[in-house]
Amino acid sequence: DIVMTQTPLSSPVTLGQPASISCRSSQSLVHSNGNTYLSWLQQRPGQPIRLLIYRISNRFSGVPDRFSGSGAGTEFTLKISRVEAEDVGVYYCMQATQFPWTFGQGTKVEIK
Amino acid sequence: QLHLQESGPGLVKPSETLSLTCSVSGGSINRRSYSWAWIRQSPGKGLEWIGSIHYNGSTYFNPSLKNRLAISVDTSKNRFSLKLNSMTAADTAVYYCAREDVDPATLCFDYWGQGTLVTVSS
Repeated sequence: DIVMTQTPLSSPVTLGQPASISCRSSQSLVHSNGNTYLSWLQQRPGQPIRLLIYRISNRFSGVPDRFSGSGAGTEFTLKISRVEAEDVGVYYCMQATQFPWTFGQGTKVEIK
Repeated sequence: QLHLQESGPGLVKPSETLSLTCSVSGGSINRRSYSWAWIRQSPGKGLEWIGSIHYNGSTYFNPSLKNRLAISVDTSKNRFSLKLNSMTAADTAVYYCAREDVDPATLCFDYWGQGTLVTVSS
């Protein structure tokens, strides 16, 4: 199985300041079709898990543009340009390049 | 807006079979571009993909669970179901259903249910 490792596990941030989460995969996530199936998910308290980003850098419908994704191969990053109170929660990376699909262990974003 | 809702027992005895259903509203389950998935989350193992089913009935499972697992779809009722047998305490988790966009341009879980806690205990 592909192991997804996120850092940091906890990220205290000041409102209005940027936040960055890294995700590393144990193998390249480049599919044989040339696409890289790395997505980012958000889990807020009391809310369903929400898709933020798919295929490294594509924002899902309705996701604010302060969220951006980047990376290639085995190294990926989620950035929040200016953290708002509603961004508090746990963020997960996930790969769908190779079965079984696997997730990172999660990064908790909280306000300082 | 697509809405998914899990239902089933919150408590299962060891060695018994877990049965969960996911009801889909706001969109048809009968779409070629999507599969329908089960994922679980436990404190010890984090998020774990269990398996998925396409509307045509084809399934793909996590190898770690496939010997205990069945997933079915009922297009007439717009819902899909999971059965996991030989339950143990290690299967205690929040179980989520989700839509899996299987278009090669996307391939992601785009909508999730709220989740339902299943505890395995006698």
